[in-house]
Amino acid sequence: DAKTTQPTSMDCAEGRAANLPCNHSTISGNEYVYWYRQIHSQGPQYIIHGLKNNETNEMASLIITEDRKSSTLILPHATLRDTAVYYCIVRVPLSSNTGKLIFGQGTTLQVKP
Amino acid sequence: KAGVTQTPRYLIKTRGQQVTLSCSPISGHRSVSWYQQTPGQGLQFLFEYFSETQRNKGNFPGRFSGRQFSNSRSEMNVSTLELGDSALYLCASSERQGDGYTFGSGTRLTVV
Repeated sequence: DAKTTQPTSMDCAEGRAANLPCNHSTISGNEYVYWYRQIHSQGPQYIIHGLKNNETNEMASLIITEDRKSSTLILPHATLRDTAVYYCIVRVPLSSNTGKLIFGQGTTLQVKP
Repeated sequence: KAGVTQTPRYLIKTRGQQVTLSCSPISGHRSVSWYQQTPGQGLQFLFEYFSETQRNKGNFPGRFSGRQFSNSRSEMNVSTLELGDSALYLCASSERQGDGYTFGSGTRLTVV
């Protein structure tokens, strides 16, 4: 079973920030939060990951609450090409037992003109 | 660097047949994982191979099998195909087991 909970769908206006929440209340101390997205008919694409500090890369920012029970993925200036299903996953990297990624249903983000 | 390559992109098979799907990982990547994606069940893990050995396996029947070759290329096989096996089959590779994964575009299998 997925260890994360995400809203089923969200809308965002083009050019505005998209804030995608994720609850992971049972996260363990050594588990990281990963975000992937899947654009229609393509394979999932890695976006960002973090342990407890906020992270930023060229695609997005990841804000993790102090108690690590929830996080938010931020796309600062959403474009139509950001329309996709976004998956939040918790896992321990570089572990022999976590070769598998457990995907939930994800959040379908629709960016509108 | 070339990405993860899956062949074929599309496949139509008849119930009862078997099928073999191929995955070429990114050069230097030694771990290959396979996933099945259906509208009803979403993305589900099938198995992972590292250095030619199966390291993890998901909850799929024995009709689903795979292997990895010495050059890290991987194949998965589904025997006695059922209508419910119609899905997008995705392959992902990583440099080390449990590391960040890069996915291919998948093979769309339709069983009729």
